[in-house]
Amino acid sequence: KNEVEQSPQNLTAQEGEFITINCSYSVGISALHWLQQHPGGGIVSLFMLSSGKKKHGRLIATINIQEKHSSLHITASHPRDSAVYICAVSLPNDMRFGAGTRLTVKP
Amino acid sequence: DVKVTQSSRYLVKRTGEKVFLECVQDMDHENMFWYRQDPGLGLRLIYFSYDVKMKEKGDIPEGYSVSREKKERFSLILESASTNQTSMYLCASNRFSADTQYFGPGTRLTVL
Repeated sequence: KNEVEQSPQNLTAQEGEFITINCSYSVGISALHWLQQHPGGGIVSLFMLSSGKKKHGRLIATINIQEKHSSLHITASHPRDSAVYICAVSLPNDMRFGAGTRLTVKP
Repeated sequence: DVKVTQSSRYLVKRTGEKVFLECVQDMDHENMFWYRQDPGLGLRLIYFSYDVKMKEKGDIPEGYSVSREKKERFSLILESASTNQTSMYLCASNRFSADTQYFGPGTRLTVL
């Protein structure tokens, strides 16, 4: 069983919709990261969280340490948000990654 | 601005060839990482290095080796490429464990 599970694997939305991507993990972590990967592109870090909630523009990330769960929300989604979103957790010596959620936002 | 560069975006090699993938970071980061990314499996760590000339095996080191002779450069070597090493290879770096990792653009390697 993967230590980091993401859901859904694939997500299609209409422009303007509110989107939620979930991440559950089964190990003790020092931080959780949300990453974004555009087609053919590299990976960029969106958030690093160790507690609570962070907001950047239309993106919001939350984490519940007790439940070992995090969510990434996108408000007023736009076609340019189409990408793969990856949840990753920091362990003492390395990181573990979820398989990613492929988001497609249609105009 | 933070920058991690990789030597090639696309590479095609033949089975049995020796393959070098180069990664350079300009942020004076201590840690550097090599991952491969395959559909449905996410990123898997091949090797990482926390200092010059130091290396540690990740989850899938078999068939790979690495070299870190200078702080800014981390090389991944496929001693004898095989078709199951066809993948996207991503390099990353960070200042310390648990810190945000900065990724390169990736090298899509095809082994025929």
